[in-house]
Amino acid sequence: EAQVTQNPRYLITVTGKKLTVTCSQNMNHEYMSWYRQDPGLGLRQIYYSMNVEVTDKGDVPEGYKVSRKEKRNFPLILESPSPNQTSLYFCASSPWTGGGQPQHFGDGTRLSIL
Amino acid sequence: GENVEQHPSTLSVQEGDSAVIKCTYSDSASNYFPWYKQELGKGPQLIIDIRSNVGEKKDQRIAVTLNKTAKHFSLHITETQPEDSAVYFCAASKSGGYQKVTFGTGTKLQVIP
Repeated sequence: EAQVTQNPRYLITVTGKKLTVTCSQNMNHEYMSWYRQDPGLGLRQIYYSMNVEVTDKGDVPEGYKVSRKEKRNFPLILESPSPNQTSLYFCASSPWTGGGQPQHFGDGTRLSIL
Repeated sequence: GENVEQHPSTLSVQEGDSAVIKCTYSDSASNYFPWYKQELGKGPQLIIDIRSNVGEKKDQRIAVTLNKTAKHFSLHITETQPEDSAVYFCAASKSGGYQKVTFGTGTKLQVIP
């Protein structure tokens, strides 16, 4: 089954404690991206990757890092989380022919930073 | 940059009625318009898309229309069913190489049995 898997699904943590949200896809897609979803703001892109070792900033990259060492994995790293990063996060993937527009989303990770 | 506005933010319809969600975009160069459905506790799911070389596209009970001149596009759901209840997002993008997608703010659709 084609899927994008995120972990954890829920996390409550404290300000400043580094955390990583993992994302893995099994479709051999070139494009992967991270979004955050906040009420009234829709989905905003944090970072994207066009392939292994190729990443770039989206609209709201401040406070986040990513890496793409393997094609299937695209972890999101919060080095020093702050309360304003409390949000619902989605990872997405799409094939090269998709032009980067997300086709498959994970089921989300709800982060609460206290 | 691109700006996508979506209306209404909430919509309640009786089962069997039609639902229409409207979006406008600002960048006349945008030519790809996907729609996503997000069920509770799930990620968005691509349900239909339209490119600017066509004015309408249908897939069973859902259809999208596009008016390039007015820069707006709409999602139409006919014969609504309770399982259509979800949040729907429109989006706009250009095509060719990697292109960022700009999302609308979402419409929460409730279908009342």
